[in-house]
Amino acid sequence: EADIYQTPRYLVIGTGKKITLECSQTMGHDKMYWYQQDPGMELHLIHYSYGVNSTEKGDLSSESTVSRIRTEHFPLTLESARPSHTSQYLCASSGGPGTSPLHFGNGTRLTVT
Amino acid sequence: GESVGLHLPTLSVQEGDNSIINCAYSNSASDYFIWYKQESGKGPQFIIDIRSNMDKRQGQRVTVLLNKTVKHLSLQIAATQPGDSAVYFCAENDYKLSFGAGTTVTVRA
Repeated sequence: EADIYQTPRYLVIGTGKKITLECSQTMGHDKMYWYQQDPGMELHLIHYSYGVNSTEKGDLSSESTVSRIRTEHFPLTLESARPSHTSQYLCASSGGPGTSPLHFGNGTRLTVT
Repeated sequence: GESVGLHLPTLSVQEGDNSIINCAYSNSASDYFIWYKQESGKGPQFIIDIRSNMDKRQGQRVTVLLNKTVKHLSLQIAATQPGDSAVYFCAENDYKLSFGAGTTVTVRA
């Protein structure tokens, strides 16, 4: 079972609305990531964090922002949603010394109408 | 830029046969590689990993082979089952790089 939780699972929202996608993990991992994935397509890293108060942009430009105030929580916010933001957003974490695999949540499928 | 990529976007396999999924990487400095499985409607799940000081690693019905000379990685699934139908991704230890599009494995009954 996943130790990383994303809510909501599905979200349909109108253009211009502000939204926050939640991501929490109970594993005490320092590193957390947000990926964007369109159906049948590759995952693109949009944000990552290596610890509290640390956030960086990934290789795919995104209008979203993130925060990391607590180790376990890494929310993603869109100030003004647009149809081009329609996608699946996957949160992941990793921990332990050195390299270790990512643990993914089951994603939030966002549709902006 | 440096990246990992899979060779074939789709693979159709008869139930009970073995599956081989291939992946090429370009960063010769990478020292850790991971295979993930993503089922429909779910996030990717870790399958198996391998460090660059190894050529082969086996798990339950899965084997990963690493050829550092040609920068090639493969995942072998023995006796493929319907539950193995999914998209498979390879990744390297720099998570700031994006994943490839994956290989979609379809198991025929």
